[in-house]
Amino acid sequence: GAVVSQHPSWVICKSGTSVKIECRSLDFQATTMFWYRQFPKQSLMLMATSNEGSKATYEQGVEKDKFLINHASLTLSTLTVTSAHPEDSSFYICSASGTSDYYEQYFGPGTRLTVT
Amino acid sequence: GIQVEQSPPDLILQEGANSTLRCNFSDSVNNLQWFHQNPWGQLINLFYIPSGTKQNGRLSATTVATERYSLLYISSSQTTDSGVYFCAAFTGGGNKLTFGTGTQLKVEL
Repeated sequence: GAVVSQHPSWVICKSGTSVKIECRSLDFQATTMFWYRQFPKQSLMLMATSNEGSKATYEQGVEKDKFLINHASLTLSTLTVTSAHPEDSSFYICSASGTSDYYEQYFGPGTRLTVT
Repeated sequence: GIQVEQSPPDLILQEGANSTLRCNFSDSVNNLQWFHQNPWGQLINLFYIPSGTKQNGRLSATTVATERYSLLYISSSQTTDSGVYFCAAFTGGGNKLTFGTGTQLKVEL
């Protein structure tokens, strides 16, 4: 149980274009979903937290107009990187947690974004 | 914000050896998770452990919240244990995780 999927697993796009990444909880309802970013040889950094039907809460320093997050249902959240630039190239990972009384997070396999 | 430090940063083991990874956190935490990130980037949940000791096969974890640390024990290591081990702490009364600096483990034949 507690499986989270991400699509696509990798994407290459040209500078200035937008890319959408999907995160789905396959066998549970995710009241909260999280988006992280990981650079090579570094730890995970939380970008934003989203609750179903609400606006996402972004961490300090994360541009909300650049990283658009939508949590339209209890099983789906999307991250759109708008007007991507080479410095946005990174490994993006989502996670999901279920009921508010139990905060364990389950992680997707990640999406590797390369902006050329 | 809270700081989560892990040691050692890098570790090389011969297959069959045992090891202990440490996670120190700078402030009180509500809970703690341990993960294994495999070479393909997938994070695998190992333990969700606010306090006490848990065991799962060759792995076990102990959290001493009052002293602000957690330990992950790996016994009889195998090459498939290679990867990065992260601890992550729940803070701020909510469900946000702050990740540690990680321990890169390589198990050799």
